[in-house]
Amino acid sequence: DVKVTQSSRYLVKRTGEKVFLECVQDMDHENMFWYRQDPGLGLRLIYFSYDVKMKEKGDIPEGYSVSREKKERFSLILESASTNQTSMYLCATSLGDSGANVLTFGAGSRLTVL
Amino acid sequence: AQSVAQPEDQVNVAEGNPLTVKCTYSVSGNPYLFWYVQYPNRGLQFLLKYITGDNLVKGSYGFEAEFNKSQTSFHLKKPSALVSDSALYFCAVRDWGNYGQNFVFGPGTRLSVLP
Repeated sequence: DVKVTQSSRYLVKRTGEKVFLECVQDMDHENMFWYRQDPGLGLRLIYFSYDVKMKEKGDIPEGYSVSREKKERFSLILESASTNQTSMYLCATSLGDSGANVLTFGAGSRLTVL
Repeated sequence: AQSVAQPEDQVNVAEGNPLTVKCTYSVSGNPYLFWYVQYPNRGLQFLLKYITGDNLVKGSYGFEAEFNKSQTSFHLKKPSALVSDSALYFCAVRDWGNYGQNFVFGPGTRLSVLP
């Protein structure tokens, strides 16, 4: 089974701090995603990457950036955290470009910004 | 643009009774439809998908879903609910923008199975 590991389960940061969320997968999946999960809103895509050093904006990229220097690692960066970025962040991966491929998720990182 | 609706925020069902979690969608082109489940303090797990073929799709943990093209629905069902089925359920459709790699998720439905 693919394992998707998110480095931190719970984080508490202060407004204005720089925040790094890391995601590592142990299979050879091309695609990696960062989603944000908020009650009543479902999952919203922040950024995704379909190859090393490639990134594409999702639906809500403002206030975030990403880095993918190696195939297995995809980092989400909050340059200056704000209280409205308090949320659950989910990393996911998928194989190739077939529309039938499913997402495999990490356990999530719950970020609180004070 | 693709969209997914889950009209019920919360579904309560007694253990042993059948359960249904509703999903309707709007897509341009052929729909690729998915159900995911999130147990407390866990990431999402894939349950089942409809790509093509038989309208009744069977998935993990005894769940199934029925694709209805005329009603643009993809309702999740289980004949006999278990307390352990209590979780948050998300319906999703493939988004063919963004290189076809994204999913559009519904808001989620919280299922509570009462003993």
